[in-house]
Amino acid sequence: QSALTQPASVSGSPGQSITISCTGTSSDFGGYNYVSWYQQHPGKAPKLMIYDVSNRPSGVSNRFSGSKSGNTASLTISGLQAEDEADYYCSSYTSGSTYVFGTGTKVTVL
Amino acid sequence: EVQLVESGGGLVKPGGSLRLSCAASGFTFNSYSMNWVRQAPGKGLEWVSSISSSSRYISYADSVKGRFTISRDNAKNSLYLQMSSLGAEDTALYYCASSGGSCPLIRVASCDAFDLWGQGTMVTVS
Repeated sequence: QSALTQPASVSGSPGQSITISCTGTSSDFGGYNYVSWYQQHPGKAPKLMIYDVSNRPSGVSNRFSGSKSGNTASLTISGLQAEDEADYYCSSYTSGSTYVFGTGTKVTVL
Repeated sequence: EVQLVESGGGLVKPGGSLRLSCAASGFTFNSYSMNWVRQAPGKGLEWVSSISSSSRYISYADSVKGRFTISRDNAKNSLYLQMSSLGAEDTALYYCASSGGSCPLIRVASCDAFDLWGQGTMVTVS
C-alpha cells in the first residue's frame, strides 16, 4: 500500500490562505468519504483536524476546511497564523478495509 | 481526563519480540474501535492495525501481517500490540489511537478517523 501523495512543503504569510492536496487512487479512497486530516507539531502526537472529508471536531478552528474531488482531497487553512506551522497528514479508509496516510506536508508561516 | 497512555516500548534485538500496551481512561472504551499507528524517526505516519470494539474484527497493514497481533481487554480498558520477528524497519514511535465508534460499515474493524491519540512509546530494534 503506497502512501497518499502530498506536497512536501507549503508556505504562506500570516493572514493568507493555503491549500494542501492529497492525491491517491480510487482504491485508496475506496469510494468512501472517510478522509481525515491531522496536525502534528514537533515532538507532539497528531491531532485530528478534519474527518469525513469536511467535518471539524469540536474545538478545531473554522479556519480549517476540507474538501474532496475525485481522487484528490484538500485541506485549506485560511487566515494563516504562526501556530499553524506544523506537519499535516491526510488519511483515508481504503477499499481493502485498511487505512493509508499521506506523505505529509510541512507548513511554514513566513 | 480523556487520555491514552502507551507503555512497553524499548530496545530489542532483531528477531525479538515486544508487547505494547495502551491504557485508556475518561471515555467508554468498549464503545470504540482502537488502532495502532507508528512513525519512524523523521518519517511520516503509518497505520499498523485496527480492532473493533468487541474484538470481532481486526485488520493489519501488509508490513506487519503475520508478525504483529492486536488485542484488547475491555474489562481493563486496555489495548495491546504483540510484536514478533522484529526488524530494523519496525523501529518507530508507536501511537495508540481511538476511532469514532460510529462507522456504518459492517464487518470491519474501523473506518472512522483517529480522534484521540496517546503520546506514543518508542520501539528501537537494534
